[in-house]
Amino acid sequence: GEDVEQSLFLSVREGDSSVINCTYTDSSSTYLYWYKQEPGAGLQLLTYIFSNMDMKQDQRLTVLLNKKDKHLSLRIADTQTGDSAIYFCAETLTGGGNKLTFGTGTQLKVEL
Amino acid sequence: KAGVTQTPRYLIKTRGQQVTLSCSPISGHRSVSWYQQTPGQGLQFLFEYFSETQRNKGNFPGRFSGRQFSNSRSEMNVSTLELGDSALYLCASSSQGWGDTDTQYFGPGTRLTVL
Repeated sequence: GEDVEQSLFLSVREGDSSVINCTYTDSSSTYLYWYKQEPGAGLQLLTYIFSNMDMKQDQRLTVLLNKKDKHLSLRIADTQTGDSAIYFCAETLTGGGNKLTFGTGTQLKVEL
Repeated sequence: KAGVTQTPRYLIKTRGQQVTLSCSPISGHRSVSWYQQTPGQGLQFLFEYFSETQRNKGNFPGRFSGRQFSNSRSEMNVSTLELGDSALYLCASSSQGWGDTDTQYFGPGTRLTVL
């Protein structure tokens, strides 16, 4: 079945790197995504990775995918106060079309 | 290009009433999906429409329904509202449809409060 888990909370200092982790159970993932949600707002697509890739880098963001362990991570370099938000990982599955299964979300707090 | 728009942004209803929410996708996008976000259950998939046809449906009761028009705009309806229907309802659009997976872009959501 579909189950996507994330740690609930992460606190980092401004300028440090943040690493947000996600584990999933279904091995038929096609794409895996990271979304950001600020208070009172919708979801902003940050980046995504195809399931046959190991890594993707996009400016300050690095996504690592370990298919064997079903583990996905998002690294944010030089974290800024504007990065404070809730981060969701999500997956689409083979045969599932555009249906996204979301993780529980990780609240990132960036302190000065 | 304008993003995904949702109307209204905020809505207050009472138990037993019905409500209709609207979503206009990004121009050229033909797939529209709906999600419910609550503190307890997180983000859950409601349904997806492509070319006026429902392609996929989540595990929600029949009180939740939707439709898509020929211009790709979509509406969702919730009948006989319950307190537990209070949530942020998010709409997402993408350009691909049948058999393909494509990145989805979300609107700001409609915050529904049921009293």
